[in-house]
Amino acid sequence: DTGVSQDPRHKITKRGQNVTFRCDPISEHNRLYWYRQTLGQGPEFLTYFQNEAQLEKSRLLSDRFSAERPKGSFSTLEIQRTEQGDSAMYLCASSLALGQRSYEQYFGPGTRLTVT
Amino acid sequence: AQTVTQSQPEMSVQEAETVTLSCTYDTSESDYYLFWYKQPPSRQMILVIRQEAYKQQNATENRFSVNFQKAAKSFSLKISDSQLGDAAMYFCAYNQGGSEKLVFGKGTKLTVNP
Repeated sequence: DTGVSQDPRHKITKRGQNVTFRCDPISEHNRLYWYRQTLGQGPEFLTYFQNEAQLEKSRLLSDRFSAERPKGSFSTLEIQRTEQGDSAMYLCASSLALGQRSYEQYFGPGTRLTVT
Repeated sequence: AQTVTQSQPEMSVQEAETVTLSCTYDTSESDYYLFWYKQPPSRQMILVIRQEAYKQQNATENRFSVNFQKAAKSFSLKISDSQLGDAAMYFCAYNQGGSEKLVFGKGTKLTVNP
């Protein structure tokens, strides 16, 4: 396994459409994170999973956003009724938790979403 | 809420020289971690260096070192013997103990001139 992978790398959609992104973490990692990065900004935390449980969600994650990690492996992030403000890079990261905390989050290449 | 501030949107350095990137943070917590991440153009973010708040000794990773001033809430990154491959966006990030969330600054774009 060479790292965190994300699919697709680029997505162009029209306003109002639904989109789904996939993230495959490093295989032995039990924690998975989603971040959003807009132009000129640092990444902003959206949510994270420990195995299949979603343990923390940001207020940025509106009701149009939903994330799942059904079998504790890959994760999907769905955005319903996309808006132009959703245009951003969506980053996935994973980490290995030993005990209560993990120390390094490994990031994927991101999915760049453009809403027209 | 914790915030991370990087006051230098862009920096440049000559190859083989040393450059320091600044970062300040705001927190009332005592248990936290600080990170510097590097994001090369069109490539994924990678961890450069990590500092635990309870450690007084500054972290070092090869050519990369930090100056951690806990009382001043300052966490600067020094890159020695700069190389062309160091050119990237550098993000300072904060992680509060008990949370998995990383809080990032806006980043500093580093250019390395040959």
